[in-house]
Amino acid sequence: QVQLQESGPGLVKPSETLSLTCTVSGGSIRSYYWSWIRQPAGKGLEWIGRIYSSGSSIVNPSLKSRITMSVDTSKNQFSLKLSSVTAADTAVYYCARDRGAAAIFDYWGQGTLVTVSS
Amino acid sequence: DIQMTQSPSSLSASVGDRVTITCRASQSSSSYLNWYQQKPGKAPKLLIFAASSLQSGVPSRFSGSGSGTDFTLTISSLQPEDFAIYYCQQSYSNPWTFGQGTKVEIK
Repeated sequence: QVQLQESGPGLVKPSETLSLTCTVSGGSIRSYYWSWIRQPAGKGLEWIGRIYSSGSSIVNPSLKSRITMSVDTSKNQFSLKLSSVTAADTAVYYCARDRGAAAIFDYWGQGTLVTVSS
Repeated sequence: DIQMTQSPSSLSASVGDRVTITCRASQSSSSYLNWYQQKPGKAPKLLIFAASSLQSGVPSRFSGSGSGTDFTLTISSLQPEDFAIYYCQQSYSNPWTFGQGTKVEIK
């Protein structure tokens, strides 16, 4: 059974960079696409971006200039960096497996709350 | 971006009721439409993919239909564990977008 676990700071200061890592267990990160999705408290879901195990990625155009994604196949991990954060970036951040590049999110992490505040 | 609009935003129903949730896309999404269930404090769970395919392990009382711009999720006989928020999501074009959610509450 594939499991995903997000990790990273729960508090980030405005204008700084949010950094999260997702560790995949119970399966290989290779040959799959992996996405980040976020959800502000009490609101809906926003897809952030996706990375393939080779390192190629696509991101939501609304966030494109601020996003960097990477993958470490030796550690079965992938990561997200979101720069120049504001209070609007406060949300629960989920990592998810993207089945067959079809944007079907079949496995999710439990989510991690990131608060942007000074 | 393809905008996804769900209706209703919330509904009250009783155990055993048949429940239907509608999702409308601002432009055609073909059959690239998925449904998720989210319970409080939990990650979303995939229920239906490609408009009508049931995800492995999901009870058969859940079904999906539609194509193009209009889609429905049906729960044939609502169970206590089905009270949750349901989201549709188009997987037709980047950026992949979600509906605003439909909250199913106990009557």
